[in-house]
Amino acid sequence: SQKIEQNSEALNIQEGKTATLTCNYTNYSPAYLQWYRQDPGRGPVFLLLIRENEKEKRKERLKVTFDTTLKQSLFHITASQPADSATYLCALWGNNNDMRFGAGTRLTVKP
Amino acid sequence: EADIYQTPRYLVIGTGKKITLECSQTMGHDKMYWYQQDPGMELHLIHYSYGVNSTEKGDLSSESTVSRIRTEHFPLTLESARPSHTSQYLCASGQGSAVFFGQGTRLTVV
Repeated sequence: SQKIEQNSEALNIQEGKTATLTCNYTNYSPAYLQWYRQDPGRGPVFLLLIRENEKEKRKERLKVTFDTTLKQSLFHITASQPADSATYLCALWGNNNDMRFGAGTRLTVKP
Repeated sequence: EADIYQTPRYLVIGTGKKITLECSQTMGHDKMYWYQQDPGMELHLIHYSYGVNSTEKGDLSSESTVSRIRTEHFPLTLESARPSHTSQYLCASGQGSAVFFGQGTRLTVV
């Protein structure tokens, strides 16, 4: 069956450090992978998309890598700030064009 | 940014009642989705649609129905509400690669 696994349920880091979140998938052949941010009580917000032929993508302090051999994406937030504290979700299109999300990693950035 | 609206934002209803959660989007997106999410837990896909007159079941679809008569409208109906339906319901729409979410409906069944 298809699975999306985000290895860490929670990640605590100090302000200014780089946060690295992992997303692994099984039985998908994605053309692209997406990352979303979700704050408590709100819907997820789209952050970044990376295509299968892209190794790395950047947007301001965010960086995403995509390794289709390892079936893994890494999501980095550099120079992290307390305002970056949220749950981060990776997402893939399933075989039926259904959008599926990982369980998320709850990031806490401490001042 | 996509404009997608859900009503009501909050709903408290008695067991056994029939309820419809509304979702509308103004971006002309073909794909629309309903997800259920308990606090601090993962998103579960309930139903989705590729376009008008298309509906597909997700993982938690057995106790609800949807319709897609118009591109912009994708209502979710629970025929008989139960306390186990207490949750947050999130609607999303997308065209191409990303999806955009509404604010959600927080449903409490007493």
